[in-house]
Parts: sequence; C-alpha cells; structure tokens
Amino acid sequence: GAVVSQHPSWVICKSGTSVKIECRSLDFQATTMFWYRQFPKQSLMLMATSNEGSKATYEQGVEKDKFLINHASLTLSTLTVTSAHPEDSSFYICSAGTGNIQYFGAGTRLSVL
Amino acid sequence: GENVEQHPSTLSVQEGDSAVIKCTYSDSASNYFPWYKQELGKGPQLIIDIRSNVGEKKDQRIAVTLNKTAKHFSLHITETQPEDSAVYFCAASNYGQNFVFGPGTRLSVLP
Repeated sequence: GAVVSQHPSWVICKSGTSVKIECRSLDFQATTMFWYRQFPKQSLMLMATSNEGSKATYEQGVEKDKFLINHASLTLSTLTVTSAHPEDSSFYICSAGTGNIQYFGAGTRLSVL
Repeated sequence: GENVEQHPSTLSVQEGDSAVIKCTYSDSASNYFPWYKQELGKGPQLIIDIRSNVGEKKDQRIAVTLNKTAKHFSLHITETQPEDSAVYFCAASNYGQNFVFGPGTRLSVLP
C-alpha cells in the first residue's frame, strides 16, 4: 500500500510554545490530506481537511487560529499547534487520500508541560 | 450526515477461534467501506476494504461482507493469532470523501 510519513512521532514542549507536525505522502500525490485527533481509547476525530493550494476546511469546534494547517505541495501538509497548552496534549494523526482510499501516518504524540 | 455504529466495543477470543465485528451505517450514498487495525501508539493501518458493488471480499484470514439493503458490513478474522490483538475501526465513505469512523472494537486474542 501507499506510504504516509509523519514526523515527529513524539514531542514534548513547554506551555505557550508552538509545535509543527509534518505529514508526507512518499509514493503518491495527495490533493487532499486529513488531520485527526485521537483521545485515549476513543475513535479518530476529524479536525480538518487540507487541500493543496487552498485553505483548510475545519470541522465545527476546531479553532483554526490554534491549529494552523498548510498544504504547500501535493506531498506535504503541516499542522502547527500554536501557543500549546496542556489540554492540547493528544495523539495527532494525518492521512492522505488517493482514489477512494485513505492511508494514515504513524501519528504524533504531543505532550504539553 | 453519516453515522457509523460498531459492535462489540470489546471482544476476547481464544487463539485459533474466529472473530466477527459488525458495523452499521446510515447514509445509503456511502459506497466505500474500509477496515483499519490500530496497534497501541501507532496510526491506523488499512487491512481490507470493500466497495458497494461487491458483497464479499477475502484476503487470507480476513474477510469483509457487505449488505447494502440492511446497511451493514462485517469483518471476519479466522484462525486468530495473538498478533491480531489491536483496536479495529470500520469506516464509511462516499467516493473517498467524508470518512466517518466507527467507535472501534478492542480485540484481545488469548493464547
């Protein structure tokens, strides 16, 4: 199957700092990428849909100024958590679509102290 | 919008037995139904999928069945092994858009 690379896999930061997470499709081009948040023992919660060359579409209740998404190319999307606080600590997962299929990255565990 | 339910939430089976996880969806326009396996601390991995023009698909020990009339689809794992232990998510989608995931099933395969 297609490969989606997500980095970093784990990040610890101080409250008030910003953290950038990268999502790359390694062997295919993805006009659309998705960002999810997952709480322990829960399902994936869609945060936003990232479209190459245009603004991301955020789900209701997701702060677009806190979670900045950039989709600069057909193989790269980034999620920046700005002014992170402990309540932003979570597991963030990206996915990239090709055809009907979504392939997921390995996820990023963010811990905000 | 689409709503996906998944049962059971937890499932324990003896090694070598079969496991079945069932999902129902609400939107008749959904036409693509993938299953993902998520191990602890990792991202979901696509294990099998089925499209609405097919009733059944099999890949070695795993199979998926789809009943469009009843709007439900199921994952079947035969000859379970300890490495099958994970959380399994079903999803429904309309042409790759608007993926909606089920709440997940935690499968434990007991040696």
